[in-house]
Amino acid sequence: SQWGEENLQALSIQEGEDVTMNCSYKTYTTVVHWYRQDSGRGPALIILIRSNEREKRSGRLRATLDTSSQSSSLSITAAQCEDTAVYFCATAQGGRALIFGTGTTVSVSP
Amino acid sequence: EAAVTQSPRSKVAVTGGKVTLSCHQTNNHDYMYWYRQDTGHGLRLIHYSYVADSTEKGDIPDGYKASRPSQENFSLILELASLSQTAVYFCASSGTGGEAEQFFGPGTRLTVL
Repeated sequence: SQWGEENLQALSIQEGEDVTMNCSYKTYTTVVHWYRQDSGRGPALIILIRSNEREKRSGRLRATLDTSSQSSSLSITAAQCEDTAVYFCATAQGGRALIFGTGTTVSVSP
Repeated sequence: EAAVTQSPRSKVAVTGGKVTLSCHQTNNHDYMYWYRQDTGHGLRLIHYSYVADSTEKGDIPDGYKASRPSQENFSLILELASLSQTAVYFCASSGTGGEAEQFFGPGTRLTVL
């Protein structure tokens, strides 16, 4: 498997809190994707970070990539109920396809 | 307007029967993929294709065939459906392989009884 263990499979937080989820991977990648999957829908890309970037921001999202430890994190600042979803990390597999992690379920309550 | 569509959206099949899942994309993408999603396993790659009339095995191809008759269409075929193939199946497309963003369809929920 491309992936090591994800730190947390599920996170429950309240609105306004910050949340961070982590992924570790086993083989070299030039890019880490983060996808979000809403209930009953297909995943959609929310942020992509390349190996020459240590940090990438998009709105309330912040992704980090540490190539030395082969790990990536996704943070959501001031979470809102609509952030409730499953979040996947994915890495490039030698130019063939992406390999997805098992996902972290984030539940945000009012 | 949805760029990757799948049909059917849900299906109940009998063990040993043949099942065909269809995918259509209007992204003009060369790459198309089939994944299955099971609780606790994330998305696992079954087959993919980077050109019409050619398919490649993914990580879990056993029990599945794929067909890419045109750039726009990609089918997943279960010749002899089994209980273990009950899952949600997603089709995706991308402009190139490897690093490129993938665009997913809405999924097909398959139940094999």
